[in-house]
Amino acid sequence: QSALTQPPSVSGSPGQSVTISCTGSPTDVGGYNYVSWYQQRPGKAPRFIIYDVSERPSGVPDRFSGSKSGNTASLTISGLQDEDEADYYCCSYAGSYSFVFGSGTTVTVL
Amino acid sequence: QVQLVESGGGVVQPGGSLRLSCAASGFNFNNYAMHWVRQAPGKGLEWVAIVSYEGSKRYYADSVKGRFSVSRDYSKNTIYLEMSNLRPDDTALYYCAKARGVFWIEMNLSPDYWGQGTLVTVSP
Repeated sequence: QSALTQPPSVSGSPGQSVTISCTGSPTDVGGYNYVSWYQQRPGKAPRFIIYDVSERPSGVPDRFSGSKSGNTASLTISGLQDEDEADYYCCSYAGSYSFVFGSGTTVTVL
Repeated sequence: QVQLVESGGGVVQPGGSLRLSCAASGFNFNNYAMHWVRQAPGKGLEWVAIVSYEGSKRYYADSVKGRFSVSRDYSKNTIYLEMSNLRPDDTALYYCAKARGVFWIEMNLSPDYWGQGTLVTVSP
């Protein structure tokens, strides 16, 4: 159950787009379409922003979008805003009712 | 609205035990699986355990298997995490989280709502 691999940090200017990758294996990301994403601001609990690879819960802006190709899932934030500055974590179902999180990515708005 | 409130954290010596609680409200507790997820200071999220909506199915991360036990009490809308033989690397903020969808269907089990966490420190 090794953590999924995410880049430690990404950055962009307001209005730009950034993409965060989440690389796993055929037994987790590649094997199931149950990848979710979470936003965590400092000192706060994680917030659910994407599920089932690309679905958005109600209330999540459509600036957040998800996709998957093979063993790699991605989160794209379009039209970056100051409030998007946070840590982001992917999470994948890994079979046998277990889950694995990504290593986390810090998004910085320049 | 969904509310999850964890409690029971504290400082414990290596080898000791602790029981965490998570009180749930704002949704039909009987229909949802529940997770425990932890976050060591300054580190990322780590999935710990899941308990099914009816309480009979429990699965654990390898790192805690045999030492931690998850359960739920329907009369109190509460889940628990019994932790034993604690080690310094168990030091973390422990969150409970609700599964996204009802019952015990793989596609419904991703965590959605989270509590604020309770801090466990394992230190001599």
